Amino acid sequence: GIQVEQSPPDLILQEGANSTLRCNFSDSVNNLQWFHQNPWGQLINLFYIPSGTKQNGRLSATTVATERYSLLYISSSQTTDSGVYFCAVDFGNEKLTFGTGTRLTIIP
Amino acid sequence: DTAVSQTPKYLVTQMGNDKSIKCEQNLGHDTMYWYKQDSKKFLKIMFSYNNKELIINETVPNRFSPKSPDKAHLNLHINSLELGDSAVYFCASSQRENGNTIYFGEGSWLTVV
Repeated sequence: GIQVEQSPPDLILQEGANSTLRCNFSDSVNNLQWFHQNPWGQLINLFYIPSGTKQNGRLSATTVATERYSLLYISSSQTTDSGVYFCAVDFGNEKLTFGTGTRLTIIP
Repeated sequence: DTAVSQTPKYLVTQMGNDKSIKCEQNLGHDTMYWYKQDSKKFLKIMFSYNNKELIINETVPNRFSPKSPDKAHLNLHINSLELGDSAVYFCASSQRENGNTIYFGEGSWLTVV
């Protein structure tokens, strides 16, 4: 069936470290987005990235649609980066299917 | 100004009650959604409306009834609440020709006791 898998499920890093989060999806997509859910539960849209590479400050994302994966890079991590990161994919049915998330904890 | 706002933020109610959650967006978007996040943080779409018309209705019990009086509002009414309805409910909106970049409200924490 249609799947969106994220890895790793949990990641604990020291402040200042870099990290790479991965999202694999099972079919071709016309929409892929990355979200950050902060410890207060708020969901923030980070990137709309069905293909290619985008950068926003310390965050960047790359989607290789032909190989069915997307990567989210976080450089020089800060404690405020802690939370759960979700990728969400539209397989052409106009609804976003969310992955299971990566829980990132940044230790001061 | 909050772009997507939903009320109430917290709701504790007894089994069997009927409750509503309201959502409003001031982004001028044409599509609105309700998502449910369970205790394991899994997010799943429930409903989607485009210009007040229902376009997605996942396999949600018919105790859940969305209502969109206009394209800026999408309310969720839940009848005969059950313990398993306890979750965080997120409203969201997007504009179709903007690649459907989606913006979420702050969530409504529903606890059924």
